[in-house]
Amino acid sequence: KAGVTQTPRYLIKTRGQQVTLSCSPISGHRSVSWYQQTPGQGLQFLFEYFSETQRNKGNFPGRFSGRQFSNSRSEMNVSTLELGDSALYLCASSFGTSGSEQYFGPGTRLTVT
Amino acid sequence: GQQLNQSPQSMFIQEGEDVSMNCTSSSIFNTWLWYKQDPGEGPVLLIALYKAGELTSNGRLTAQFGITRKDSFLNISASIPSDVGIYFCAGQSSGYALNFGKGTSLLVTP
Repeated sequence: KAGVTQTPRYLIKTRGQQVTLSCSPISGHRSVSWYQQTPGQGLQFLFEYFSETQRNKGNFPGRFSGRQFSNSRSEMNVSTLELGDSALYLCASSFGTSGSEQYFGPGTRLTVT
Repeated sequence: GQQLNQSPQSMFIQEGEDVSMNCTSSSIFNTWLWYKQDPGEGPVLLIALYKAGELTSNGRLTAQFGITRKDSFLNISASIPSDVGIYFCAGQSSGYALNFGKGTSLLVTP
């Protein structure tokens, strides 16, 4: 069974631009969660989607948004990029929501210049 | 989210030694997960725990779900160079998102 895939793997953007990251979960998994990982803050939860509905949301500004499609694939969007948005963005999928094991993709390394 | 305290922050050991790390929370969790992350990659799930007092092994790795449901422990026996990486604990309460510790960086010398 294929694992979680994320595209692109690397991205360089300029401050003020917007970016869209994509995540394809493990086949059969209906929940997708997004995390931001930085050396200073560690792994921080962005949001979780289950069956196209946002179930949980972390403490990030409204510039960070996401969505999930009917095939469980998910995208996250960051508008008006800031230098501090440079990070590894990780997507994790699970079969259910609370209490289910989450499996991570390789991440998208975003650099904002 | 709930605050997770993971310790130690880093460990530098010799090959063959045993390793212990732990995670404590200010809140009760229903699930504890342990992950390992290599540089430039996503975290890989090592062990999942669902019941207070549960002790689960995966090869040389053993993890326990604390009786109070506010802590968890991970032990690695007879460490080898490929154990190098960052180990994360993660806890979850029903209906809430997964909360991660800051990680334990493990270095193993041959």
